[in-house]
Amino acid sequence: EAGVAQSPRYKIIEKRQSVAFWCNPISGHATLYWYQQILGQGPKLLIQFQNNGVVDDSQLPKDRFSAERLKGVDSTLKIQPAKLEDSAVYLCASSLDRGQFYGYTFGSGTRLTVV
Amino acid sequence: QKEVEQDPGPLSVPEGAIVSLNCTYSNSAFQYFMWYRQYSRKGPELLMYTYSSGNKEDGRFTAQVDKSSKYISLFIRDSQPSDSATYLCAMDYGQNFVFGPGTRLSVLP
Repeated sequence: EAGVAQSPRYKIIEKRQSVAFWCNPISGHATLYWYQQILGQGPKLLIQFQNNGVVDDSQLPKDRFSAERLKGVDSTLKIQPAKLEDSAVYLCASSLDRGQFYGYTFGSGTRLTVV
Repeated sequence: QKEVEQDPGPLSVPEGAIVSLNCTYSNSAFQYFMWYRQYSRKGPELLMYTYSSGNKEDGRFTAQVDKSSKYISLFIRDSQPSDSATYLCAMDYGQNFVFGPGTRLSVLP
């Protein structure tokens, strides 16, 4: 079974620029999550999709972050404009369905550095 | 007060040692308790999970939950250099998932 694919692996941008991350979940997984992991901290949920609908985006800074999940499969997370404090690893995860944490699979993440 | 607290380490032990990793939490609504292992530049991977209080064993790993003290532990027996990673506890109730900051473990050969 192929894992969760994310790209790019690394990205360096200047503050106020925009950036986008891409995630391809495991085939058949209905639920997709985006997490932000700042160095030295645990992952923090940004947004959760069930198929192509948003279930929870309460911790997404909506003034600068946006996310979509096209046709209930791939997803993109965008930051515009980026701030220095957005430097983090952005992790995508997927599961068969909501609440199935034991079936959670994470991708390797995109490491973003904002300078 | 943070919902989930964990000593960040780093924790260095010799190969073969017994390792004890711990988390405390404040929200009594948490029902599922998980341990994730995260290697450098990789995403977290689920090691074990338990529901409510009690112990669970899987090979060299044992997870303990004490809901009365709001305290969970992960024990690693006969630790190996390949166990060197960051260990994250995580807790879940309903649809909400909260991670601790992680403890960085180094097992020295």
